[in-house]
Amino acid sequence: AQSVSQHNHHVILSEAASLELGCNYSYGGTVNLFWYVQYPGQHLQLLLKYFSGDPLVKGIKGFEAEFIKSKFSFNLRKPSVQWSDTAEYFCAVNIVGYSTLTFGKGTMLLVSP
Amino acid sequence: DAGITQSPRHKVTETGTPVTLRCHQTENHRYMYWYRQDPGHGLRLIHYSYGVKDTDKGEVSDGYSVSRSKTEDFLLTLESATSSQTSVYFCAISAGQGTEGEQYFGPGTRLTVT
Repeated sequence: AQSVSQHNHHVILSEAASLELGCNYSYGGTVNLFWYVQYPGQHLQLLLKYFSGDPLVKGIKGFEAEFIKSKFSFNLRKPSVQWSDTAEYFCAVNIVGYSTLTFGKGTMLLVSP
Repeated sequence: DAGITQSPRHKVTETGTPVTLRCHQTENHRYMYWYRQDPGHGLRLIHYSYGVKDTDKGEVSDGYSVSRSKTEDFLLTLESATSSQTSVYFCAISAGQGTEGEQYFGPGTRLTVT
C-alpha cells in the first residue's frame, strides 16, 4: 500500500530562519503531489501541487517544493519563515489513475517571534 | 473555498447513539470524501463517493456508512457511536473532472463521543 512519510513531527524555528520539511512516498509509479497547511483551528488549505513538468513548484505565501523522482521525495521549503507560518503541514500523494489521496502524519511548525 | 459546508460544526453525543454528519457542496463536483483527523495520525480516509449512489471504502471505514442521494450532499453516519470515533471530521471535494484534481476541504465537524 502507498505510504507517505514526513520526517519531522515538530519543528521549531525563529523568524527569518529557513525552512525545509521532508516528505517521502513509497509508490514507484506516476504520482501527483501536494502540500497542505492547517492553521490552528482551521481546515486544510492547499499550499502547492505538482502534477508534471518543472519539478520545482511555487505555491502561495512564498513556499516552494521540489520533486525528486529518484528519491521519491517532495520537500517543502521557504527561505525565511514568519510567525504567521506557525501551522501544521501535510504532504499528500495521489497515484495517477486513482481518486484518493494518502496523507502524511503532518509536521507541526512553530515559529517564534 | 470551493463552496463546502459541513453540519453540525460541533457535536457531543453518547456512546451507542447514531450520528449523521452532513457535507454540502454548491459547485457540482463529482468526487467527495470524508476524512477523520486525529493527533499523530494525520488525515485518514473513511469513505468517498464518485457520483450519486456510488461510494467506496477508505482506510478506516469500519463503523461508518455513507450515502449520496444528490450530487451536492454526502452524508456520513456512525450507526452506533463509540469513544474511539471522537475526532474531527473533514469533508473534501476533488477539483478535477477526473480522479486527479487537488482536494479542497470543508471547515470540519468536531465530534465528541462520551
